[in-house]
Amino acid sequence: KAGVTQTPRYLIKTRGQQVTLSCSPISGHRSVSWYQQTPGQGLQFLFEYFSETQRNKGNFPGRFSGRQFSNSRSEMNVSTLELGDSALYLCASSLGEVRLTGRRDTEAFFGQGTRLTVV
Amino acid sequence: DAKTTQPNSMESNEEEPVHLPCNHSTISGTDYIHWYRQLPSQGPEYVIHGLTSNVNNRMASLAIAEDRKSSTLILHRATLRDAAVYYCILRGPWVRRGYQKVTFGIGTKLQVIP
Repeated sequence: KAGVTQTPRYLIKTRGQQVTLSCSPISGHRSVSWYQQTPGQGLQFLFEYFSETQRNKGNFPGRFSGRQFSNSRSEMNVSTLELGDSALYLCASSLGEVRLTGRRDTEAFFGQGTRLTVV
Repeated sequence: DAKTTQPNSMESNEEEPVHLPCNHSTISGTDYIHWYRQLPSQGPEYVIHGLTSNVNNRMASLAIAEDRKSSTLILHRATLRDAAVYYCILRGPWVRRGYQKVTFGIGTKLQVIP
């Protein structure tokens, strides 16, 4: 089956602009998480959505927002872009089923990311 | 959130075993230990996970200390394709509404020498 798809793969924006990134999870997966990856900070958690509801949020300013649609596709928006927002943005999907056993279906599948450059 | 500590980098000779350590001294009793790796220019991919017992799969083995405050990912025979950044991650348990927290460490960059 198709993997996690992120679009676009590359994006160049100017400071002050806003940007919307898209993530299509694996069919049947209901949980989508977003991460920001930079050389200095590593992989940082942004937020997680499950069944159209934000379940958890990392320590990022309110300029970073997201949403999830009924088909589990998710979008992430960054407003008033800053130079420091330049990063690889990764999306991960997982089944999101209610389980307490830590079985393999808790595995998260990552997309290849969107490389955002702010100039 | 419980944190993980890993060495920034490690080296291994090709076809030799590699032991990648991870410390997680503040792990809770219900946190699962997951390992992911990220190959150059790709998103992270799942390697293995466990709770208390050692685990084996086709990719690697996971050895978990008895007190669960540390774990070791074991690649039995390193290949050039194993050169990647390896992340040790603690994943909280699922709760009724499907909520799960994930905390990533900095990761260990593994270099495999031919």
